[in-house]
Amino acid sequence: AQKITQTQPGMFVQEKEAVTLDCTYDTSDPSYGLFWYKQPSSGEMIFLIYQGSYDQQNATEGRYSLNFQKARKSANLVISASQLGDSAMYFCALLFNQAGTALIFGKGTTLSVSS
Amino acid sequence: NAGVTQTPKFQVLKTGQSMTLQCAQDMNHEYMSWYRQDPGMGLRLIHYSVGAGITDQGEVPNGYNVSRSTTEDFPLRLLSAAPSQTSVYFCASSYWEHRGRYYGYTFGSGTRLTVV
Repeated sequence: AQKITQTQPGMFVQEKEAVTLDCTYDTSDPSYGLFWYKQPSSGEMIFLIYQGSYDQQNATEGRYSLNFQKARKSANLVISASQLGDSAMYFCALLFNQAGTALIFGKGTTLSVSS
Repeated sequence: NAGVTQTPKFQVLKTGQSMTLQCAQDMNHEYMSWYRQDPGMGLRLIHYSVGAGITDQGEVPNGYNVSRSTTEDFPLRLLSAAPSQTSVYFCASSYWEHRGRYYGYTFGSGTRLTVV
């Protein structure tokens, strides 16, 4: 069965510091994808970054990078130079193929950035 | 290009009432899905569709029906609302190929539903 685990309920960081949010996954399907979404207090789901299982290089999107370690089944999100606006809930999600297209979400990590 | 549009944004229902949450996308995506998010939780899949006329159940389908008569629309029907269905509902559309190549997975802004 597919599973996503986020073990950090909350993280605290100061502005301009880098922060790593952990995510581990489990799937037996060789074709899958990993997403990170940001959910601010306003509630919308904001796409941050995606990594496909066949991608050779780690994904990067501006200040976001995904540290993909396939053998360890981890897909950690790295935010460089944190900003106050980064304070939000962050979800890791596994996209797998058997259901056509469906995401399994972790329980999320609340990131708080202070000045 | 509006992306994924959900209506209404807020709704209060009485126990036993029925209603339909609307979802429309204008990106010509094949796949659409409905999720619910309960407090302190990630999103959980209710139903999904891989194309017009094709739907299937997700993790928490009980109490909900869906249909997909067009590529653009994927309404979610609550048959007889219960307090346990109080939640935030998200619709999503996506296009994804084999071998993990990704073209888009977009969420609507959500519908906050309260059942009293």
